[in-house]
Amino acid sequence: GAVVSQHPSRVICKSGTSVKIECRSLDFQATTMFWYRQFPKQSLMLMATSNEGSKATYEQGVEKDKFLINHASLTLSTLTVTSAHPEDSSFYICSARVLRGMNTEAFFGQGTRLTVV
Amino acid sequence: TQLLEQSPQFLSIQEGENLTVYCNSSSVFSSLQWYRQEPGEGPVLLVTVVTGGEVKKLKRLTFQFGDARKDSSLHITAAQPGDTGLYLCAGGAGTTDSWGKLQFGAGTQVVVTP
Repeated sequence: GAVVSQHPSRVICKSGTSVKIECRSLDFQATTMFWYRQFPKQSLMLMATSNEGSKATYEQGVEKDKFLINHASLTLSTLTVTSAHPEDSSFYICSARVLRGMNTEAFFGQGTRLTVV
Repeated sequence: TQLLEQSPQFLSIQEGENLTVYCNSSSVFSSLQWYRQEPGEGPVLLVTVVTGGEVKKLKRLTFQFGDARKDSSLHITAAQPGDTGLYLCAGGAGTTDSWGKLQFGAGTQVVVTP
């Protein structure tokens, strides 16, 4: 399967600061990556679709000015949580899709546990 | 919006028992994937099913895609503590416009005790 690497795995930051999370596809090119947020014991909530070379597409209710997404290359997407607050504390996961025939499979990064204090 | 409903939400069993997790929708999916997620990690793809009626086996795990491609099940035989995790199903629409988006179920938390 395809390998997606996410960094850092854990980060603690002070309220009001910004945090950048990286998502890399290691052995394939990903023109599209996805960012999810997951609360404890819940499923994944899609935040935005990251498109290489163009603007990200955000899901309804997700503040694009707060969650900045940059997809500068075919193997790297970054999510920056700006002016973080305690309510932004969560588990953030990225994924990249691999198209196989007419169907897709998603491969996920290891996730980033963000704690805002 | 295509909704995927998973049941049960939580399942606690003893080692050696069997279990089944269900994933149902009123919509048709071109493919359906099952993932397992352990605490603090990202989901790991277990299997993809694409053909109605398809059955796939992965050691003690058996996956089935419904004939109408609206539902799927995951059956684990002789569960082991290592099977503990959050099991997620996800469906793909399969069209060019939406091939990137997967619809996830709410997940089934499985706990297998020794």
